Amino acid sequence: GAGVSQTPSNKVTEKGKYVELRCDPISGHTALYWYRQSLGQGPEFLIYFQGTGAADDSGLPNDRFFAVRPEGSVSTLKIQRTERGDSAVYLCASSLGPSSGNTIYFGEGSWLTVV
Amino acid sequence: AQTVTQSQPEMSVQEAETVTLSCTYDTSENNYYLFWYKQPPSRQMILVIRQEAYKQQNATENRFSVNFQKAAKSFSLKISDSQLGDTAMYFCAFIHTSGTYKYIFGTGTRLKVLA
Repeated sequence: GAGVSQTPSNKVTEKGKYVELRCDPISGHTALYWYRQSLGQGPEFLIYFQGTGAADDSGLPNDRFFAVRPEGSVSTLKIQRTERGDSAVYLCASSLGPSSGNTIYFGEGSWLTVV
Repeated sequence: AQTVTQSQPEMSVQEAETVTLSCTYDTSENNYYLFWYKQPPSRQMILVIRQEAYKQQNATENRFSVNFQKAAKSFSLKISDSQLGDTAMYFCAFIHTSGTYKYIFGTGTRLKVLA
């Protein structure tokens, strides 16, 4: 597609529920990133994919968070047993390749509210 | 640990005037990239300008320019001829050239351009 697409744009869920957030990167981009942005903060790194594999998942806060990218394109961020502290904007970004100098392009984010 | 500090939570500027946003960073590495991203209310992060640390010449993109002081670890953004559409959050970001794909973001500066 023309840009990074994220769905849903807004999600309200009850504490303890399971949530999936989807990211469709720019066509041809092999690198994909998930970031989390809490209110009043800058984005914080969660996980980076190169192709189908998670090359760096050191930013995932705990084992309730998991992400997949089975075919090297669309990625899904999965959050189990959601907590109120998970409320944030989840940003997805993609870039042409693994070079850290490549520009990353962000989607508009998925705003998750856990009540 | 690498950090990025933006000491101005909010700033305002009159339309057509010039404003400078500050950013300092901390790293022991010598090779890295620096970025300024703009985040309007739509939430999508948009790249404004980037600078390679090995380049002494300051980057410029139309009305946007940077003052990169490597020894001082300072990377300020100057916006000339400010326009109402420049109203947004501005984030400074940093990444090493090798060994990591984690972009480190500052906490942002909220810029308001006044008519």
